[in-house]
Amino acid sequence: GQSLEQPSEVTAVEGAIVQINCTYQTSGFYGLSWYQQHDGGAPTFLSYNALDGLEETGRFSSFLSRSDSYGYLLLQELQMKDSASYFCAERAAGNKLTFGGGTRVLVKP
Amino acid sequence: EPEVTQTPSHQVTQMGQEVILRCVPISNHLYFYWYRQILGQKVEFLVSFYNNEISEKSEIFDDQFSVERPDGSNFTLKIRSTKLEDSAMYFCASGRQGRDEQYFGPGTRLTVT
Repeated sequence: GQSLEQPSEVTAVEGAIVQINCTYQTSGFYGLSWYQQHDGGAPTFLSYNALDGLEETGRFSSFLSRSDSYGYLLLQELQMKDSASYFCAERAAGNKLTFGGGTRVLVKP
Repeated sequence: EPEVTQTPSHQVTQMGQEVILRCVPISNHLYFYWYRQILGQKVEFLVSFYNNEISEKSEIFDDQFSVERPDGSNFTLKIRSTKLEDSAMYFCASGRQGRDEQYFGPGTRLTVT
């Protein structure tokens, strides 16, 4: 079956860099998306990787290695507002998203 | 900026009752989705909808569930006979042709008692 693994929680201080790893084991893989979700809020799209390599969007970057079935989200220059849950999600045919369990990031002053 | 809207924000219903959750996707989007999230757990795919038909559905989306696009703007999820385990946050999402991001609505919290 489909399964994505990511750490459950990460704590860091303001200004630091955090890397959230995600491994997946699935067939029919199209690409890896990353979503941010604040408590009580809706998931918000951050980035998507279909090909190997790094995608940079401001302070956030995402990386994919298809041969290793592995990706990561890099959060740079952490701010208090970055405290949230971050989900990797596999995109399959039909644009269906299968989400990982989420990583709760806690940013401390 | 256009956004996905959902109503109601919170629905309380008794076990066995029918509920309809409503969504208005972003107007030029062609792909529509329903997801659910049980409190404290991950987001789970329910169903995708394109060109007026279901593209894919998950094992969760059994005969108790149905979706409909009754007009050019609304997209609904119906649960015919609710169970306690249907209590969750239900998110509607929409997306554009050839684009990877899905835009999620604020969700409807369904509580089945």
